[in-house]
Amino acid sequence: DQQVKQNSPSLSVQEGRISILNCDYTNSMFDYFLWYKKYPAEGPTFLISISSIKDKNEDGRFTVFLNKSAKHLSLHIVPSQPGDSAVYFCAASAFGNTGKLIFGQGTTLQVKP
Amino acid sequence: GAGVSQSPRYKVAKRGQDVALRCDPISGHVSLFWYQQALGQGPEFLTYFQNEAQLDKSGLPSDRFFAERPEGSVSTLKIQRTQQEDSAVYLCASSLARTTPQFFGPGTRLTVL
Repeated sequence: DQQVKQNSPSLSVQEGRISILNCDYTNSMFDYFLWYKKYPAEGPTFLISISSIKDKNEDGRFTVFLNKSAKHLSLHIVPSQPGDSAVYFCAASAFGNTGKLIFGQGTTLQVKP
Repeated sequence: GAGVSQSPRYKVAKRGQDVALRCDPISGHVSLFWYQQALGQGPEFLTYFQNEAQLDKSGLPSDRFFAERPEGSVSTLKIQRTQQEDSAVYLCASSLARTTPQFFGPGTRLTVL
């Protein structure tokens, strides 16, 4: 039972354009969401997070949008740069839980120069 | 201070051997998590510590897996009588509190022959 799903295994965009990565979840108890970026042979690197009391959080080129009614979140990267090429994971944690994260399967983003 | 560190970075074990994986969390982080990441998948939760107390071990796949954090800082994940299905990357993460980001170490890649 996959509680967090990233339905697009890969995404390719041109440098300078917007990258939009999507994530869906099923557990209505999730109240904290994060995006991580991962390069090969490295651990996941934290990018941005959002609490369920918000619907948008922005940090530089990265913006996360949360649609609670649709149980959907997305990460927008504008403008995309070749160094953004990596695997992106969304993750969620549930209220009343220990803080353990439930991860999606990841989306591989390729930004072409 | 420094980020989360893990050692060894790579470990090759023969089936049936015991292994010990070490995690040094960020100083001051009370929460420590272990995750297992199989190839092409997102990390999966194994166990959680708040200081020295192991509050959640629901993700440990069998009683061959054991984790400890005796002084509330460094943690060790031990796998007894390793099996081929234990081959994965083992990630450690630490955080200040539940709704703060978890920061990951580089992982230990375990290969069981």
